[in-house]
Amino acid sequence: DAKTTQPNSMESNEEEPVHLPCNHSTISGTDYIHWYRQLPSQGPEYVIHGLTSNVNNRMASLAIAEDRKSSTLILHRATLRDAAVYYCILKGDSGAGSYQLTFGKGTKLSVIP
Amino acid sequence: NAGVTQTPKFQVLKTGQSMTLQCAQDMNHNSMYWYRQDPGMGLRLIYYSASEGTTDKGEVPNGYNVSRLNKREFSLRLESAAPSQTSVYFCASRLSGLKAGDTQYFGPGTRLTVL
Repeated sequence: DAKTTQPNSMESNEEEPVHLPCNHSTISGTDYIHWYRQLPSQGPEYVIHGLTSNVNNRMASLAIAEDRKSSTLILHRATLRDAAVYYCILKGDSGAGSYQLTFGKGTKLSVIP
Repeated sequence: NAGVTQTPKFQVLKTGQSMTLQCAQDMNHNSMYWYRQDPGMGLRLIYYSASEGTTDKGEVPNGYNVSRLNKREFSLRLESAAPSQTSVYFCASRLSGLKAGDTQYFGPGTRLTVL
């Protein structure tokens, strides 16, 4: 699976939108882009995933660049509960380690009241 | 539907002691995983089981053994605990494992301290 690059940390004011970037310049055509987050003292939880088109769900939106070399997780109105580490992960269907999700260090999002 | 459950939540061991961390899922998932997370770090895969009856090493398997007891349960054993194994351990499961679009579900974690 290809590698991703995320900022170490970001800050946002409460009730404002947050855009969390992820670069993945070596993404392959069959790699899905997954986002997970980890709240303090909890296990990671799924946020959203996509392949080519932008995706929306009740938690967030995922905007994928046309060349798929970058993506952005969008939280429309940050709440204090959104303070977490956000992981951007690429997952392919085949190759070595194809069963795994590989976690990097992610982006630590702080939400300011 | 409890999802992924782990026991115990906390454990303190002395160097050289052994213990087994238990994990169970009730989502009829085929693949199960054990990760460890050290302070300030991302998760690292210890072992995984792609399907019932199979297990494979991940990134950091040394000092651990696993057993896929049945489709629901996947245990992690520390035969002779060392201080370097002090960490938070997460179990996870996915429906297929191979399908890139599958979501992975995590348990709440076991906080292990080895003195």
